[in-house]
Amino acid sequence: AQTVTQSQPEMSVQEAETVTLSCTYDTSESNYYLFWYKQPPSRQMILVIRQEAYKQQNATENRFSVNFQKAAKSFSLKISDSQLGDTAMYFCAFMTPQGGSEKLVFGKGTKLTVNP
Amino acid sequence: NAGVMQNPRHLVRRRGQEARLRCSPMKGHSHVYWYRQLPEEGLKFMVYLQKENIIDESGMPKERFSAEFPKEGPSILRIQQVVRGDSAAYFCASSPTVYLDTQYFGPGTRLTVL
Repeated sequence: AQTVTQSQPEMSVQEAETVTLSCTYDTSESNYYLFWYKQPPSRQMILVIRQEAYKQQNATENRFSVNFQKAAKSFSLKISDSQLGDTAMYFCAFMTPQGGSEKLVFGKGTKLTVNP
Repeated sequence: NAGVMQNPRHLVRRRGQEARLRCSPMKGHSHVYWYRQLPEEGLKFMVYLQKENIIDESGMPKERFSAEFPKEGPSILRIQQVVRGDSAAYFCASSPTVYLDTQYFGPGTRLTVL
């Protein structure tokens, strides 16, 4: 069974600093995607970044980047120049085609607080 | 292009009543997923539907829960005879294709069972 583990229930960072959120996953599949979603207090799920497993290059989206270590099954999210609006729950998620169904498997989340 | 729409945003039911949650996918998307988020938890997959077909319902409780995605109209998640343990946020997501494509989420419906 695929599992996603986020070992940091809560983290905090000062505004303008950099923070890294950890995620590990377990799968025997070779073809899959990884995602980070953000859930602010509004509870809307917002896609932050995605990574295709076949790509060696780490994905980046403005201030957000990932460190994808396929052999170690690790997928961490780095947020640079943290802003107050980055305060949210962050969920790591995994997707692989299984029998025609591509459900997302989520970790339990990391609550990030950006302090002024 | 409007995003995924869900209604109602908040729903209060008494134990034993029925809850109907609606989801309209993004324009051009024909694949709908339902997830449930219990308090302090991540999202858990419930069911995956295409138009008029249930593809994967492996995450659905065996009793009281059902889902449909008719040819016309929104996808419906129906919970019969609700119990307090059904209180949660229910999210719908849609994607344009099935093969390893990004799922875009609606704002969710928060169900409270009194």
